[in-house]
Amino acid sequence: GQQVMQIPQYQHVQEGEDFTTYCNSSTTLSNIQWYKQRPGGHPVFLIQLVKSGEVKKQKRLTFQFGEAKKNSSLHITATQTTDVGTYFCAGPRERAGKSTFGDGTTLTVKP
Amino acid sequence: DTGVSQNPRHKITKRGQNVTFRCDPISEHNRLYWYRQTLGQGPEFLTYFQNEAQLEKSRLLSDRFSAERPKGSFSTLEIQRTEQGDSAMYLCASSMGPNNEQFFGPGTRLTVL
Repeated sequence: GQQVMQIPQYQHVQEGEDFTTYCNSSTTLSNIQWYKQRPGGHPVFLIQLVKSGEVKKQKRLTFQFGEAKKNSSLHITATQTTDVGTYFCAGPRERAGKSTFGDGTTLTVKP
Repeated sequence: DTGVSQNPRHKITKRGQNVTFRCDPISEHNRLYWYRQTLGQGPEFLTYFQNEAQLEKSRLLSDRFSAERPKGSFSTLEIQRTEQGDSAMYLCASSMGPNNEQFFGPGTRLTVL
């Protein structure tokens, strides 16, 4: 079945440092979604990428979808303590009805 | 609050007992998903509905698990003869369609003693 891998599993940064998490799927995806889960909370949708090579920005967050639509990345510039949480990617393989989630990258930020 | 709601928020049960969870999705959403999440893992797909039709069920799901969405609105997830390995957070999510963002509920945390 489809597998979605995320690296790293954990990332500890000093406030102000940059952060990047990578997502790789074993199959071609029709789209990729990113979610953030705060400690004790539930996943909250951040963004969706659909096109091959697509890049989207949300303030300090930059999302990329690979040319082959099998990988994606999330980059945060100048992290803040409010960025703490676990970031998940999720995507349906083409013509599938459901998404597979990665196991997430947990970000901690030291003030 | 017009978000996704789940009840109960917490459930403690003894091994062998049956439990049922409820999910109320956002009213105009026709897709409803159930996931299971354990510590350090991402949400693991269990099943999903389009309106009242259950379109897919995970092969990882044993016959002890069943879900319904009788009128295409709220959904229930039942676990029969619970086992300690069933202890997890059970998340429900809804969306407008197959490629739309999913809105998650707060989850039901199940502890099987």
